[in-house]
Amino acid sequence: QQQVKQSPQSLIVQKGGISIINCAYENTAFDYFPWYQQFPGKGPALLIAIRPDVSEKKEGRFTISFNKSAKQFSLHIMDSQPGDSATYFCAARRGSARQLTFGSGTQLTVLP
Amino acid sequence: GAGVSQSPRYKVAKRGQDVALRCDPISGHVSLFWYQQALGQGPEFLTYFQNEAQLDKSGLPSDRFFAERPEGSVSTLKIQRTQQEDSAVYLCASSLDFRGGEQYFGPGTRLTVT
Repeated sequence: QQQVKQSPQSLIVQKGGISIINCAYENTAFDYFPWYQQFPGKGPALLIAIRPDVSEKKEGRFTISFNKSAKQFSLHIMDSQPGDSATYFCAARRGSARQLTFGSGTQLTVLP
Repeated sequence: GAGVSQSPRYKVAKRGQDVALRCDPISGHVSLFWYQQALGQGPEFLTYFQNEAQLDKSGLPSDRFFAERPEGSVSTLKIQRTQQEDSAVYLCASSLDFRGGEQYFGPGTRLTVT
């Protein structure tokens, strides 16, 4: 059972454009939603995270939008740069557990 | 200290061999996690430690997988009688508190079973 569904699988954006990656979850017990960035040969690195009591969180060029009723959340990367080219994973954690449940990833390519 | 470190970074094992993968978490981090990442997929949870106690091992795929963290710092993931389906990147993550928020990942160990 895929508890966190991520789309699209791959995304190509021009430099300066906006990259948008979407995730949907099924388990309403999830209470923490982080996004991770992973470069080839590296481990995932935490980008930004949100809890369901807010609808939006912004850190620099990265924004999470959260829709609790729709059970969806998304990552927006403003002014995308070639250095942002990486694989992005959404994840979720339910309060009673500690482990993260990850989406399947989005490979982002930002063209110069 | 620095971030989470893992060794070896790459391991090639013949089918049937035993392997041991090491994780050095960030100093002082209470929680430690192991995840398995298949090619082109997101990490999947294997097991969780709070200090030296293994509180959740529900993600371990078979009894050939064993993990320990005897002194509450360094952890070792051991795979006995490796199979080809064990080929994956094994990621270790640590978190400062017992709730497991803000997990910091190591670079992973890429295991290839031939």
